[in-house]
Amino acid sequence: GQNIDQPTEMTATEGAIVQINCTYQTSGFNGLFWYQQHAGEAPTFLSYNVLDGLEEKGRFSSFLSRSKGYSYLLLKELQMKDSASYLCAVRDKDYQLIWGAGTKLIIKP
Amino acid sequence: IAGITQAPTSQILAAGRRMTLRCTQDMRHNAMYWYRQDLGLGLRLIHYSNTAGTTGKGEVPDGYSVSRANTDDFPLTLASAVPSQTSVYFCASSPTSNNEQFFGPGTRLTVL
Repeated sequence: GQNIDQPTEMTATEGAIVQINCTYQTSGFNGLFWYQQHAGEAPTFLSYNVLDGLEEKGRFSSFLSRSKGYSYLLLKELQMKDSASYLCAVRDKDYQLIWGAGTKLIIKP
Repeated sequence: IAGITQAPTSQILAAGRRMTLRCTQDMRHNAMYWYRQDLGLGLRLIHYSNTAGTTGKGEVPDGYSVSRANTDDFPLTLASAVPSQTSVYFCASSPTSNNEQFFGPGTRLTVL
């Protein structure tokens, strides 16, 4: 079967750095996405990785290792508005997205 | 209309009733998707359409049907609602199936 694993919840301090991990086992691989979802709102796109390595976009970076079936999302200089759920999704051989259950990130002052 | 919209925002429905959730996008995206999101679970794909006139089944299609008569609209119909269909439903679209998806605001459906 296909499986995406992420921690259920993480807590971090404002101004700090946090790393959210995602491991996957899917039927084929055609890219990995990270989305942000604030409570009661729709998911919004953050990043996309299809090749191994680090993609940096402002305060957010995403890393991929295809051989290990592993990705992480790195958030720097945390702000209170970063309190949200972070969803990892893998595009499988049929170009459909398989989604993890999401990691709820709580930012404390 | 700007982006992707869904209607209604929320709905309480009696079991056995028929219900259509509406989704419209004005971005001329070819691909559209319907997901349900339940607490503790990832988004699960119900049905998708890679282009107008075509549809496909996702992971959890039973009890749902869709149509794609044109590029902009992708309605989801529950023929006879059951309590297990209580969920938040998200419609999404993307330029093609190769691109990131853009999500509508969601419909919160409660079936009693």
